[in-house]
Amino acid sequence: GENVEQHPSTLSVQEGDSAVIKCTYSDSASNYFPWYKQELGKGPQLIIDIRSNVGEKKDQRIAVTLNKTAKHFSLHITETQPEDSAVYFCAASISPPNTGFQKLVFGTGTRLLVSP
Amino acid sequence: DTGVSQDPRHKITKRGQNVTFRCDPISEHNRLYWYRQTLGQGPEFLTYFQNEAQLEKSRLLSDRFSAERPKGSFSTLEIQRTEQGDSAMYLCASSLVAVSPYEQYFGPGTRLTVT
Repeated sequence: GENVEQHPSTLSVQEGDSAVIKCTYSDSASNYFPWYKQELGKGPQLIIDIRSNVGEKKDQRIAVTLNKTAKHFSLHITETQPEDSAVYFCAASISPPNTGFQKLVFGTGTRLLVSP
Repeated sequence: DTGVSQDPRHKITKRGQNVTFRCDPISEHNRLYWYRQTLGQGPEFLTYFQNEAQLEKSRLLSDRFSAERPKGSFSTLEIQRTEQGDSAMYLCASSLVAVSPYEQYFGPGTRLTVT
């Protein structure tokens, strides 16, 4: 299937708290999982990604974990700041049937609001 | 700025008119993608090019849509006989296959409003 589910749809936290966004995917052949941050009126910005041969990846306050068995991956933001407020999208590489092509399928997004 | 650029940023058109959008990818990126994003949704894949060859098209891409990348650099997306349902943000992304074909960098998008 070509399905990526993302939860929650909205997330409100206080500055300094942690935020966690979760995604599940359906294609067992998926091997690349990026996360994008989209601010109002702008295109999605790649913030971190993980490949299927890695279980966790960290970049400063952002980390991503992958559980291939359960087909889950998550974004963790620590010490949140007001400038982290945006819509975050997960995506997974998916192979449509009978093609030699992999495309990115995106989740429906999580609106993160960090209050000062 | 060496990122992906798109032109125009906004387009308002009347139903039935044709529109054309342009995308300039990151220099030397050989793969270029077009996506459509509607309010409250993630980007949906439309089509992609490797160099000048269009290799895949989504079922979302009706016969009224056509995309070109004539010299393997910039790309255009044309929508003929626009309909109100075409109103959306049209995003372009590019990647370098030799590094990672899936590591895509997006432009700011063209927001189309069909009245």
